[in-house]
Amino acid sequence: AQSVTQPDIHITVSEGASLELRCNYSYGATPYLFWYVQSPGQGLQLLLKYFSGDTLVQGIKGFEAEFKRSQSSFNLRKPSVHWSDAAEYFCAVGNQGGKLIFGQGTELSVKP
Amino acid sequence: EPEVTQTPSHQVTQMGQEVILRCVPISNHLYFYWYRQILGQKVEFLVSFYNNEISEKSEIFDDQFSVERPDGSNFTLKIRSTKLEDSAMYFCASSEWDGRRDTQYFGPGTRLTVL
Repeated sequence: AQSVTQPDIHITVSEGASLELRCNYSYGATPYLFWYVQSPGQGLQLLLKYFSGDTLVQGIKGFEAEFKRSQSSFNLRKPSVHWSDAAEYFCAVGNQGGKLIFGQGTELSVKP
Repeated sequence: EPEVTQTPSHQVTQMGQEVILRCVPISNHLYFYWYRQILGQKVEFLVSFYNNEISEKSEIFDDQFSVERPDGSNFTLKIRSTKLEDSAMYFCASSEWDGRRDTQYFGPGTRLTVL
């Protein structure tokens, strides 16, 4: 069955520190992968997506993610976190019919 | 920048009542979706819609739910007889092409509270 796992429910990092949010997927074919961010009271905003090609993808707000087929992972990274990055982050895989299957989400807190 | 809009932002209803949640997708988009997020849980797919018919629906999307594109701009989700467990944030999304390979743009959501 298709699924997405985000092992970390909540992560706290200091402002200026680096960040890595983990995402593992289970999908039979070539996955189309997405990271979305949800700020409190807001909808979901796309950070980046992977369809094919270069396995390191760049997104908005300084985020990047690396697709590793051998590990079934698509981890999100940022070299230096800003206080405004505090939000909930969702990893998702797109299935054949177009629907997105989301992970549980990781809530990011940023310490000053 | 074009965006998906949803109304109302918050809807409170009594159990057993019908509710209609409204969405205006981005104007040149062809694929439309509804998702929901129960408080503290993951975002779940409900239904996808293309060319005036349902493309795919989840197990959650039973006979109590229906979707419609009544005109060229609106996309609605109707819940005929609401239950307590329907309380959730409902997100509408749209994409220009098949959402598996194209970005789905999400609206801000409608928070539905069933009492």
